[in-house]
Amino acid sequence: GAGVSQSPSNKVTEKGKDVELRCDPISGHTALYWYRQSLGQGLEFLIYFQGNSAPDKSGLPSDRFSAERTGGSVSTLTIQRTQQEDSAVYLCASSYVLSGNTIYFGEGSWLTVV
Amino acid sequence: ELKVEQNPLFLSMQEGKNYTIYCNYSTTSDRLYWYRQDPGKSLESLFVLLSNGAVKQEGRLMASLDTKARLSTLHITAAVHDLSATYFCAVKGYGGATNKLIFGTGTLLAVQP
Repeated sequence: GAGVSQSPSNKVTEKGKDVELRCDPISGHTALYWYRQSLGQGLEFLIYFQGNSAPDKSGLPSDRFSAERTGGSVSTLTIQRTQQEDSAVYLCASSYVLSGNTIYFGEGSWLTVV
Repeated sequence: ELKVEQNPLFLSMQEGKNYTIYCNYSTTSDRLYWYRQDPGKSLESLFVLLSNGAVKQEGRLMASLDTKARLSTLHITAAVHDLSATYFCAVKGYGGATNKLIFGTGTLLAVQP
């Protein structure tokens, strides 16, 4: 597709369950970001991937959160033992790595933990 | 640690008026982004500013960057209702924080007829 694709678009899960959120970046984009946006709030950085370099995981809020990027393309964000405070929109973005390149965002995955 | 502050947080303005949103950041950076977000939607890229003195314009919106003052502005000229949205600035860190794009708190703009 032409843009950043995320799935599922909506997910309702029970507290304590694990969830996986998927991001398919724009073809050729080597940089990939995950952000979290709680209701009415700003964007919280979670993790950044760039090519084959080690990811910057400094924004992950706890060890229940993890992410991987296979083959330098698709990324999966996994939240284990979900808690109600994990309810948010999870946004993925991608770009070319060169300075000045626009960073494009997907439509997000809306996660509700009940 | 890179911090980004926007003001105002909320802006109600009448159609036809001009106003400016301010974005201050705490450490050196030479890459600043402006985004628009409509309710329930994702972020739409508006501008990428790369150097001191950079100015970009699109329609009724104009963005500028002063890296010495660590300040960017988004100026709205003759506002129309369609500009109602939340506007975010975001700054890429420099040096050890280069990987992160840190967002401001956002400015909710409501343009009244």
